[in-house]
Amino acid sequence: AQRVTQPEKLLSVFKGAPVELKCNYSYSGSPELFWYVQYSRQRLQLLLRHISRESIKGFTADLNKGETSFHLKKPFAQEEDSAMYYCALRDSGGYNKLIFGAGTRLAVHP
Amino acid sequence: GAVVSQHPSRVICKSGTSVKIECRSLDFQATTMFWYRQFPKQSLMLMATSNEGSKATYEQGVEKDKFLINHASLTLSTLTVTSAHPEDSSFYICSAGVGEYQPQHFGDGTRLSIL
Repeated sequence: AQRVTQPEKLLSVFKGAPVELKCNYSYSGSPELFWYVQYSRQRLQLLLRHISRESIKGFTADLNKGETSFHLKKPFAQEEDSAMYYCALRDSGGYNKLIFGAGTRLAVHP
Repeated sequence: GAVVSQHPSRVICKSGTSVKIECRSLDFQATTMFWYRQFPKQSLMLMATSNEGSKATYEQGVEKDKFLINHASLTLSTLTVTSAHPEDSSFYICSAGVGEYQPQHFGDGTRLSIL
């Protein structure tokens, strides 16, 4: 079955510390993975997608098919990074359907 | 960028009322829109896929007679919660993509509270 697992509900770090938000997936085909972010009182927005292989706001994520992971990383966390982060998998079965993980709340303390 | 507008942002109504939520793609056409439900401190759960000009595709466990979806144009999808009860209280979010393989853009969500 297709599934996205984010094992941590909350990740709390100090400003300047490295951050890694974990995401593992279960998918039978060739996956397409995304990270979405939701800042306080704002809508969900795309942070990055694995096929773009880009860095957004200092965040990167590499697809590791061997470990079926797509962890989100940032070397130096900033207070403004505090938000809810969702990993999502696109179901290629049709209609561009997204399967979301449970989400991880990142809290960056000064 | 692509903008999705959702209206209303908040609804409070009595049990038994039917509530309609609108989702509009403001600067692009969307043949497909998606409706999600989010309970407090939980993830987004896909309810249904709304297809312009045809019937919506509902996820397992979602009552199609309870949650009526209409996608009458390429820029508008509506979700009607019929005869709403307190257990229907939740945060409902819609999304749409510019094209089949493009990322989805999300609306602000509608907080529905049934008294």
